[in-house]
Amino acid sequence: NAGVTQTPKFQVLKTGQSMTLQCAQDMNHEYMSWYRQDPGMGLRLIHYSVGAGITDQGEVPNGYNVSRSTTEDFPLRLLSAAPSQTSVYFCASRRAGSYGYTFGSGTRLTVV
Amino acid sequence: AQRVTQPEKLLSVFKGAPVELKCNYSYSGSPELFWYVQYSRQRLQLLLRHISRESIKGFTADLNKGETSFHLKKPFAQEEDSAMYYCALRGGETSGSRLTFGEGTQLTVNP
Repeated sequence: NAGVTQTPKFQVLKTGQSMTLQCAQDMNHEYMSWYRQDPGMGLRLIHYSVGAGITDQGEVPNGYNVSRSTTEDFPLRLLSAAPSQTSVYFCASRRAGSYGYTFGSGTRLTVV
Repeated sequence: AQRVTQPEKLLSVFKGAPVELKCNYSYSGSPELFWYVQYSRQRLQLLLRHISRESIKGFTADLNKGETSFHLKKPFAQEEDSAMYYCALRGGETSGSRLTFGEGTQLTVNP
């Protein structure tokens, strides 16, 4: 039982490049979310999903896309990276009806 | 809309001193409130939630609906309590159970 696995742990991108941050969970959790963590701003919700095939926007969705084709995977795509997207990204999952989210270890992204 | 505010970005206390991390929220319904903790180089983990009214690692938090607050308290801080603490609010299922975090408070417990 690996929990929530995020890859890569670190990434440097050039402005304008695209990439996908991977998130996988093996707990059969229905809910999955992506957050970005910035100093002084806490964690802000980017996108979330309540089940396979269902996604919705959070507070700061611009510049990011998600899809949820399976229960296990919830990738986050940066379409055209910008320096403002330099951040630490966390994926989290939760079973429906439970209260606690399980977080991944994060991906530290730098856009130059 | 749901919002969480943690007014102190940094909090520094000495070992053995009481500590209180403040959290205020706004939400129109009946929220669930949580405290999450992130130790250095570790992932976020749930510390406690208001419904269970439990004490974890000596920490407690009481939901005050009148003041819309959920402050985290510990009577005697320890050095290992040094970490980033996030207050979080979860709305109802109709909002997709979105978890909204505050800005975080970095607690440092000095020897």
